[in-house]
Amino acid sequence: DVKVTQSSRYLVKRTGEKVFLECVQDMDHENMFWYRQDPGLGLRLIYFSYDVKMKEKGDIPEGYSVSREKKERFSLILESASTNQTSMYLCASSGTGGGRETQYFGPGTRLLVL
Amino acid sequence: GIQVEQSPPDLILQEGANSTLRCNFSDSVNNLQWFHQNPWGQLINLFYIPSGTKQNGRLSATTVATERYSLLYISSSQTTDSGVYFCAVERRGAQKLVFGQGTRLTINP
Repeated sequence: DVKVTQSSRYLVKRTGEKVFLECVQDMDHENMFWYRQDPGLGLRLIYFSYDVKMKEKGDIPEGYSVSREKKERFSLILESASTNQTSMYLCASSGTGGGRETQYFGPGTRLLVL
Repeated sequence: GIQVEQSPPDLILQEGANSTLRCNFSDSVNNLQWFHQNPWGQLINLFYIPSGTKQNGRLSATTVATERYSLLYISSSQTTDSGVYFCAVERRGAQKLVFGQGTRLTINP
């Protein structure tokens, strides 16, 4: 079974703090994604990566950066957390081609910025 | 960008009932997936179905790509089917999924 894990289920941070959210997948997937989910706005793509050290902006990249130094790990960084970044953050991974495009999600991190 | 519309937004049924959820999209796609988000927030992939029909137990899905819609069927609903069902599509060449707003399904015992 595909497994996608996220470093924390719940996180509370203060405004201005630097926040790291980690995601690890064990299926040798090429593609990894970070989304945020907010009531009434659905799931929105922040960043994605289709290879090690590669990254692409999604629909809402402002205020975020990412790092992918190893194939299995994709990190989301909030350089200076703000209250409007309080949200549910979801990581996903998928393969490429041959029907492997199915996205598998981690359990999510609920981040509260005070 | 591509538009994804799901209907109905909310659906309340009794255990044992059948349901049909619809997903309309505004452009040609090469990737369409259905997900179930349980009450704890976990998103589970149900189907990868850019075209054709698939079945998995009580669930089945059909995508008619030429008419730009997909249907998810749930038969003999159980309370554990409750949650939000999302359709997500990837326009050709886009490399990313766009999610609909979801259908919230509540199954009462």
